[in-house]
Amino acid sequence: QVQLQESGPGLVKPSETLSLTCTVSGGSVSGYYWSWIRQPPGKGLEWIAYIHYTGSTNYNPSLKSRVTISIDTSKNQFSLKLNSVTAADTAVYYCARHENHRSGTYPLDCWGQGTLVTVSS
Amino acid sequence: DIVMTQSPLSLPVTPGEPASISCRSSQSLLHRSGHNFLEWYLQKPGKSPQLLILLGSNRAAGVPDRFSGSGSGTDFTLEISRVEAEDVGVYYCMQGLQSFRTFGQGTKLEIK
Repeated sequence: QVQLQESGPGLVKPSETLSLTCTVSGGSVSGYYWSWIRQPPGKGLEWIAYIHYTGSTNYNPSLKSRVTISIDTSKNQFSLKLNSVTAADTAVYYCARHENHRSGTYPLDCWGQGTLVTVSS
Repeated sequence: DIVMTQSPLSLPVTPGEPASISCRSSQSLLHRSGHNFLEWYLQKPGKSPQLLILLGSNRAAGVPDRFSGSGSGTDFTLEISRVEAEDVGVYYCMQGLQSFRTFGQGTKLEIK
């Protein structure tokens, strides 16, 4: 059974860079798309970006200028970097896997438990 | 961007009674394959979201058959035939048609 685990600092200072890693266990990152999604406290879900195991990426246009997503197939991990953070970036950050459905759709079938990142001085 | 709009945003339900959530998209989610690329997720309190429905009406593995999805194009509905206490949480629709994924605002289901 595939499991995802987010890791990284829980506190980041304003204007600095938020860095998170998602470690995949019980399966391989190869063959799939992988996403980062975030949820500000008490609010809804916001998709941030996805990456294919081949390295192709796609970003939320509202965050694109500040976000980089990368993947390391040798470590079975993928990562998120968000620079120039402000208090508005305080959220629970989730990593998730896109299922390869035979119909050509890619639903988010497996999620990490999420990690709270607070932006504060 | 495809804007997803859910209603209602709050849904109090008596156990054993049915429940219905609407999701509308600003553009058709009908793919050239003939499938609607619309998903439903449930986020139980304190938990990560979980996939309930894909392709508008296909239940994900392990999802009870009291959950059903319907609709096509821009109008979709999630129905729960008989609500149970374990169904409380926030339900989100999400479009999977565009690479830029977008979610609805969420509908909070609570037990009366």
